[in-house]
Amino acid sequence: DAKTTQPNSMESNEEEPVHLPCNHSTISGTDYIHWYRQLPSQGPEYVIHGLTSNVNNRMASLAIAEDRKSSTLILHRATLRDAAVYYCILDSGGYQKVTFGTGTKLQVIP
Amino acid sequence: DGGITQSPKYLFRKEGQNVTLSCEQNLNHDAMYWYRQDPGQGLRLIYYSQIVNDFQKGDIAEGYSVSREKKESFPLTVTSAQKNPTAFYLCASSINAGRIGANVLTFGAGSRLTVL
Repeated sequence: DAKTTQPNSMESNEEEPVHLPCNHSTISGTDYIHWYRQLPSQGPEYVIHGLTSNVNNRMASLAIAEDRKSSTLILHRATLRDAAVYYCILDSGGYQKVTFGTGTKLQVIP
Repeated sequence: DGGITQSPKYLFRKEGQNVTLSCEQNLNHDAMYWYRQDPGQGLRLIYYSQIVNDFQKGDIAEGYSVSREKKESFPLTVTSAQKNPTAFYLCASSINAGRIGANVLTFGAGSRLTVL
């Protein structure tokens, strides 16, 4: 399975933009890039996903490098409710299992 | 509202006892998954199922068993063979779009198992 690498933790000031990086140098051409986030003692929540082009939704934006070996999740204005562990994962689509790494713990400072 | 229901939310077990965690979804999703999460750690895949009456082992299947008799249900049994079962267990499902789309996962709220 292709793997992802994320920093263990990051800090951001409230109402500032946050850029969460993810490296996936062994990504294959059919792998989708997914982001999820997990609040304490809750199940993970889907944030966004993409294949090649940058993606935007009401929660965040996903910027994908041209060679697809890295991506960045962008939270445009961090709030205290955005403090969570953010997971970047690769999914081959189809009948393939999905696995998670340890993610990035985001701390938002008031 | 559609979603995934896990029960019980909290469970205590004595050593040597089997325990079954329930996972039910009304999303009409084909695929279902069980993950284990230890404190401060990521999610590790225990078992997954793409269709009814079929399932595959994940990365840490030893000491666990599952069944998939109905599309909406995917119970997990933690057996006495699991040496360190205290953990947070998460069930998920996805529509399983085949090669056309991406597997977006919907998670339940989790079940916290403590072995006394």
